Amino acid sequence: DGGITQSPKYLFRKEGQNVTLSCEQNLNHDAMYWYRQDPGQGLRLIYYSQIVNDFQKGDIAEGYSVSREKKESFPLTVTSAQKNPTAFYLCASSRTGTAYGYTFGSGTRLTVV
Amino acid sequence: AQSVAQPEDQVNVAEGNPLTVKCTYSVSGNPYLFWYVQYPNRGLQFLLKYITGDNLVKGSYGFEAEFNKSQTSFHLKKPSALVSDSALYFCAVRENTGFQKLVFGTGTRLLVSP
Repeated sequence: DGGITQSPKYLFRKEGQNVTLSCEQNLNHDAMYWYRQDPGQGLRLIYYSQIVNDFQKGDIAEGYSVSREKKESFPLTVTSAQKNPTAFYLCASSRTGTAYGYTFGSGTRLTVV
Repeated sequence: AQSVAQPEDQVNVAEGNPLTVKCTYSVSGNPYLFWYVQYPNRGLQFLLKYITGDNLVKGSYGFEAEFNKSQTSFHLKKPSALVSDSALYFCAVRENTGFQKLVFGTGTRLLVSP
């Protein structure tokens, strides 16, 4: 079955550590996205990418970094510069074009301990 | 710039009653509108979309949405609510310039009581 996989489901980070969240899709989608969601809140865009080796900052990119070395993969690194990283992180992918919606992964819950 | 507004943070409805979750949009040109549902600790799931054609769009789990161009609205509806419909609902509109990202509303929490 085609889909988008995020791992791990739960992640614990000590203060001062970098952590990387994985996002892989086998839908042959060109575009991929990372969102942050705080409890009971909406989605905030961190980074997005339309093609390999190219990505753009979203609304809250500070303290995060991404790479897009393969079409299928769009990992997100939460750096030590992100002062409040505890949140639910969602990855999504889509075909390009206005008629298409997004397919979301099941999310990674990151907690700073 | 494209945007959507979900004016209600929460909607409460009794099981078996009809439900409506409101969404209004602001776009230049033709709107491409979407509804998603999110259950606790899960990703968003696609419910339905309006691209063109009939103003009444039918989607998953018995949901439908009515596109109203004059009122710039795209309200989500269901004739008879279930307790299992309790979740967070997001309306979204596609940008029709630049990267053509989805712009999401702030979400509406639906609580269906037994």
